Amino acid sequence: QKEVEQDPGPLSVPEGAIVSLNCTYSNSAFQYFMWYRQYSRKGPELLMYTYSSGNKEDGRFTAQVDKSSKYISLFIRDSQPSDSATYLCAISNTGNQFYFGTGTSLTVIP
Amino acid sequence: DSGVTQTPKHLITATGQRVTLRCSPRSGDLSVYWYQQSLDQGLQFLIQYYNGEERAKGNILERFSAQQFPDLHSELNLSSLELGDSALYFCASSETIYNEQFFGPGTRLTVL
Repeated sequence: QKEVEQDPGPLSVPEGAIVSLNCTYSNSAFQYFMWYRQYSRKGPELLMYTYSSGNKEDGRFTAQVDKSSKYISLFIRDSQPSDSATYLCAISNTGNQFYFGTGTSLTVIP
Repeated sequence: DSGVTQTPKHLITATGQRVTLRCSPRSGDLSVYWYQQSLDQGLQFLIQYYNGEERAKGNILERFSAQQFPDLHSELNLSSLELGDSALYFCASSETIYNEQFFGPGTRLTVL
């Protein structure tokens, strides 16, 4: 079983839609949860960084962690064509090991 | 621009050869991470250094090695290259081992 699983998509939505991206993980010891955005052939860019359960909001982006279900989500409100990219979830346990999801490809259609 | 630099941007070499990839972390960051990203494997954690010392190992092959120098830049050495080593290699840095990572632009390695 992989440490983190992510639906690869692809996901295609109209401009202005609410996007929901999700990952599940296997080990309850993971404490740090991250979302990265990666444009084609570029380095991943950190979007959100959270520790433990709860919600964190930054502009149009909301990260949600449910440790009881081992489930993390990223919501994008009022999606824009510039949000078209691959989104990677990542988890870590006290900084020793890092595991990334395989990424979800998102296309926002104008 | 994340502040992490990687050289070279592109590298084309032949099977059996050895290459060195270089990474300079953001100013003030003590921790450096190396990742491999291929189409079918996603982003794979290879190795982490903190202030010159190896901190954690991921899925790094024995043909691969890395080090972090006193000025905190890092090098990833790939030897006896195989076709399957063709991938994007990313370096990331963080202030400490508990902070978020910032990624460089990557080195695209093609093994022919």
